[in-house]
Amino acid sequence: AQSVTQLGSHVSVSEGALVLLRCNYSSSVPPYLFWYVQYPNQGLQLLLKYTSAATLVKGINGFEAEFKKSETSFHLTKPSAHMSDAAEYFCAVRSMNSGGYQKVTFGIGTKLQVIP
Amino acid sequence: EPEVTQTPSHQVTQMGQEVILRCVPISNHLYFYWYRQILGQKVEFLVSFYNNEISEKSEIFDDQFSVERPDGSNFTLKIRSTKLEDSAMYFCASRAKGFLNTEAFFGQGTRLTVV
Repeated sequence: AQSVTQLGSHVSVSEGALVLLRCNYSSSVPPYLFWYVQYPNQGLQLLLKYTSAATLVKGINGFEAEFKKSETSFHLTKPSAHMSDAAEYFCAVRSMNSGGYQKVTFGIGTKLQVIP
Repeated sequence: EPEVTQTPSHQVTQMGQEVILRCVPISNHLYFYWYRQILGQKVEFLVSFYNNEISEKSEIFDDQFSVERPDGSNFTLKIRSTKLEDSAMYFCASRAKGFLNTEAFFGQGTRLTVV
């Protein structure tokens, strides 16, 4: 079974500071991993995905994530936080059932607060 | 850019009533999903649907829930007799065919409030 664990349900950073949102995965097969963002009162938007190609993945809005197999991690970073980055961020993993059908399984989410 | 659309954006219903949440997936997608997010909690998988049948469902998706693709464009979630604990944001998602098309595209959600 595949799962993800997000460390820190709330993270606060100052505007302009580094954003680091942590995610660790558990998977018995090479994982496909995602970060989704949910702005207040909105749906889930894909930020970036890792599908076993390059380990450093660049996404939208200046975010990137690095897949580290040795650490089973897929942390999300952004060099300089902007006020508009305030949102909830979900790490997710593709999981498959015995019939080969895929679904996305989400972590608990991390709320990012950006302080002016 | 193609997107998943959900209607209504907000629905209020009385406990015990039936509700139908509607979704129009991206037109060439073949895999469809419903997720829910109770306020302040994680996004939980409910059900996946492919080739006109359920491919997987979670333990949340009991006999009170059903899904249907009544025509070539809509994908609906029905809750037969709503309970207070069904109050949540419900997200529809769709995915293209192909093993490498891994990401699901989500709609904006329907906020269901059961009173």
